[in-house]
Amino acid sequence: DIVMTQSPDSLAVSLGERATVNCKSSQSVLYSSTNKNYLAWYQHKPGQPPKLLIYWASTRESGVPDRFSGSGSGTDFTLTISSLQPEDVAVYYCQQYYRTPYNFGQGTKVEIK
Amino acid sequence: EVQVEQSGAEMRKPGESLKISCQVSGNRPTNSWIGWVRQMPGKGLEWMGIVYLRDSETIYSPTFQGRVTISADRSLSAAYLQWSSLRASDTAMYYCAKIHEAGSGRDYFDPWGQGTLVTVSS
Repeated sequence: DIVMTQSPDSLAVSLGERATVNCKSSQSVLYSSTNKNYLAWYQHKPGQPPKLLIYWASTRESGVPDRFSGSGSGTDFTLTISSLQPEDVAVYYCQQYYRTPYNFGQGTKVEIK
Repeated sequence: EVQVEQSGAEMRKPGESLKISCQVSGNRPTNSWIGWVRQMPGKGLEWMGIVYLRDSETIYSPTFQGRVTISADRSLSAAYLQWSSLRASDTAMYYCAKIHEAGSGRDYFDPWGQGTLVTVSS
């Protein structure tokens, strides 16, 4: 199985500041024939289902604010919130969909400082 | 566009059986792969397995193989998650979600159901 490890487990950022969440996979999730990384990011708020933010490591889902961005390739990935807003308080998960089981990272809790 | 809707919250005693459902509607629902995700209290998301509604092909996570049964009913456009003998440790929120476009490099989950809370307590 591909193991996904996120860091940090939690972080507190001031409103308007940058938040960075890291995700590392135990194997590369770069699919050579498409040159795409099979890595997604989700936002999960209490009482709601998870929401897809980013797929292919850096493609923003329709309707997701552009303060959310994804980067990285191979085994190392980053989700960046460029200017943290109150509504961004949530747990963020990365997920690889390169090979089943399509495991999630353990989650990173983002809070306001 | 496809929507997924889950059955309501359930309470059971240890040793009892349970089957929860995920109803798929919209454009060509039987062409959908539906997955199940567990979230235990205070914990993260765990990928349990997926089922293809058209032919009931199923792929399990090794963590959950043998502990649950994932199935589908093509005629009802529904997926199911089933336990034959529940334990207290099965207490969790269970989400179903559609694999966006299986086999096209879009095997992420979207959309998600609202979740089914399963509580197992004596």
